[in-house]
Amino acid sequence: GQNIDQPTEMTATEGAIVQINCTYQTSGFNGLFWYQQHAGEAPTFLSYNVLDGLEEKGRFSSFLSRSKGYSYLLLKELQMKDSASYLCAAMDSNYQLIWGAGTKLIIKP
Amino acid sequence: GAVVSQHPSWVICKSGTSVKIECRSLDFQATTMFWYRQFPKQSLMLMATSNEGSKATYEQGVEKDKFLINHASLTLSTLTVTSAHPEDSSFYICSATGLSGNTEAFFGQGTRLTVV
Repeated sequence: GQNIDQPTEMTATEGAIVQINCTYQTSGFNGLFWYQQHAGEAPTFLSYNVLDGLEEKGRFSSFLSRSKGYSYLLLKELQMKDSASYLCAAMDSNYQLIWGAGTKLIIKP
Repeated sequence: GAVVSQHPSWVICKSGTSVKIECRSLDFQATTMFWYRQFPKQSLMLMATSNEGSKATYEQGVEKDKFLINHASLTLSTLTVTSAHPEDSSFYICSATGLSGNTEAFFGQGTRLTVV
């Protein structure tokens, strides 16, 4: 079956760095997405990885290892506004997104 | 980036009535649109996948006759919740992908439906 695993909740301190991990199992693979979702709002696209390696975009970076079925989202210089849920989603061979349950990130001053 | 517009943003309706939610791709042709539902504190749940000009593919457990999906053009898909009940109250989100399937999915703003 198809499955995405990510931690349910994480806590970090303002100004620090946090890494949110995601493992996936899908029928075929067409990329790994990370989305940010604030409560009551639609998800916002953060990153897309289809090749192995690290993609850096400002304070956010995303890493992918296809052989390990593993990705992580790295958030640097955390700000209070980064408190949100972070959703990992893998695209299968039919171009459908398989969603993780999301990781609730709590930022403390 | 590409824009997907979803309307309405929120709607309150009486139990037993029907509600239509529109999802439009404003600057690209969306061959595939996805409809999701999200209950509070839960992840997105895919309801159905619709391809332009063909019938939608519904996920297991989603009632086809209750959640009517129409994808008549490359820029518009609609979800109609028929005979709505309080348990249908949820956040509904659409997303669309363009002609080259392995690109990011663009999301609408979401619609918060409250059935009273």
